[in-house]
Parts: sequence; C-alpha cells; structure tokens
Amino acid sequence: KAGVTQTPRYLIKTRGQQVTLSCSPISGHRSVSWYQQTPGQGLQFLFEYFSETQRNKGNFPGRFSGRQFSNSRSEMNVSTLELGDSALYLCASSLTNRASSYEQYFGPGTRLTVT
Amino acid sequence: GQNIDQPTEMTATEGAIVQINCTYQTSGFNGLFWYQQHAGEAPTFLSYNVLDGLEEKGRFSSFLSRSKGYSYLLLKELQMKDSASYLCAVGNTDKLIFGTGTRLQVFP
Repeated sequence: KAGVTQTPRYLIKTRGQQVTLSCSPISGHRSVSWYQQTPGQGLQFLFEYFSETQRNKGNFPGRFSGRQFSNSRSEMNVSTLELGDSALYLCASSLTNRASSYEQYFGPGTRLTVT
Repeated sequence: GQNIDQPTEMTATEGAIVQINCTYQTSGFNGLFWYQQHAGEAPTFLSYNVLDGLEEKGRFSSFLSRSKGYSYLLLKELQMKDSASYLCAVGNTDKLIFGTGTRLQVFP
C-alpha cells in the first residue's frame, strides 16, 4: 500500500508570492491534516479535512488555506508569502473520522524556503 | 490554553534505558500519542494511550496518568538507530497538539 505522498518535496519562493502544496493520502483514508514544522515551534496544526469539509483550524492567519477533493487528495495554499513561512509542511492521513484518536500517517513533507 | 512540555534534549548510552517525560495541559483529551522522527524524515507513530497505565510494544513502552496530565516513553536496550526526536502529542477535537519534541542522542 502506498504511503502518503506530498508534492513538491522542495520549493523556493520569493516574499509576496503564493504557493500551493499537494498531499495524496493513503488509499482509503479520508481524514487529512496539515502541520507546519519549524525548529523553534515544533509541529503546529494548520487544519484538518474530512470528506471535503474543514473540521478544525489552527491559529494561523487567513493567508493559509486548504481544501480537500472528493478523492481525499488535499491542497494547501499560502498567499503573500513571508520569510517566517519558511518551514517543513507535513501532511498526515488517518483511517477514521476521528483524527485525534487514531494513528496518523505522515508524508515526507514539503520543504518551503521563502527568500 | 494548550501546553505540552517535554525536555529539549537527552543523551544515553547504547544498551541503556531512557525515559522521556511529557506533561500536558489541554482543554480536551482524546488520547496521547508518541511519534519518532529521524532527522530529515517524517514522524512515525510509536504508541497511543487513552486509558491510564502502561502500554508495552517491544523495546518501547508508554505510560499515561490522565489525572496528573503526565506521560512517559520508555526505551529499553537502546540502539544507535534510536537517535531521533521523540514527539509527544495530545489528541484534541480532531487535531493533534504536539510538544516541541525531545532530541535523543545515543552514544556507543
């Protein structure tokens, strides 16, 4: 069974630009969560989707948005990039509809660098 | 507020036992997770506790006390490959709240 895949793996953008990251969950998984990981802050929750609905959102500005498609694939978008958005963005999928009480499987992440 | 604390760094010797502590204060609780993350790699699931007590899985064990807001991960017979970051996370209303992680270095 294929794991969680994320594209692209690496990305370099300039301040002010926007970026879209993609995540394909494990087949059969309908819950997809996104996290931002930085050395100082650790893993911080961005949002969680289940059956195309955003069920939970972390404390990030409105520049961060996401969506989920009918095949459970998910995208996240960051507009008007800032230097502080440089981070590893991780996507995780879960089998059940309770992402907080079941094992999550993480993808390899997208390393975003903003210059 | 949501707060999860764990030590930043720990060191241990190959073959030894190490205990990584995690304390939490969160507004909700659906269970406590431990993940392992090697440098440059994605986190991988180690354990999940929802009831008080000890869960054992091979060389790794995890303990939970909900009344004390406390958990620990116990690693026995340490191997060099156990050098990694260990992330404590609390399940809370369809999301995981992570601590900043404990970087464990195992020396020969």
